[in-house]
Amino acid sequence: NAGVTQTPKFRVLKTGQSMTLLCAQDMNHEYMYWYRQDPGMGLRLIHYSVGEGTTAKGEVPDGYNVSRLKKQNFLLGLESAAPSQTSVYFCASSRDSGNTIYFGEGSWLTVV
Amino acid sequence: LAKTTQPISMDSYEGQEVNITCSHNNIATNDYITWYQQFPSQGPRFIIQGYKTKVTNEVASLFIPADRKSSTLSLPRVSLSDTAVYYCLVGDGSARQLTFGSGTQLTVLP
Repeated sequence: NAGVTQTPKFRVLKTGQSMTLLCAQDMNHEYMYWYRQDPGMGLRLIHYSVGEGTTAKGEVPDGYNVSRLKKQNFLLGLESAAPSQTSVYFCASSRDSGNTIYFGEGSWLTVV
Repeated sequence: LAKTTQPISMDSYEGQEVNITCSHNNIATNDYITWYQQFPSQGPRFIIQGYKTKVTNEVASLFIPADRKSSTLSLPRVSLSDTAVYYCLVGDGSARQLTFGSGTQLTVLP
């Protein structure tokens, strides 16, 4: 019973490098989300998806791209990492927007 | 989007009942109110969800007045392990975005 799984859990990047965070869910959920959480702050929505093949911008989308080629996977990409993107990234999924959101365990990203 | 307002922090002692209130003045007709709990270095986890009146489960109760412009999460007899950040979330069905506010840091003291 995995739920929402994120990889990698920890990563250190140099400024300008690129990387992709992978999120996988095994609950057959339609909705998936990527959030970032900075120290002492709440979660801010980066991008979300309401179904396979669809993506939409959230509150803080700049500097990130996403793809939802398969229903169970939601990828978050950083094309050119910046120190301001140092954060904890949480992936989540839900059956619908009004339903319970299930979160992954987080991915700690440091950009130096 | 339905915006929520919560107290930044609250302190309590073990064994007490804790009530955390969330304001959501522009809640939409189809919106549900959901509360999440987050421990350090973990993702938030679901506590309780409601639409109106009162909902109770094994860990908490949720009170929602008739106008639905606020809600109160009630934690009975808190323990040290209830120290966490609590988020009130209001689903916006039209935009299909779920916005977390800053949450309430609850600290339970011995």
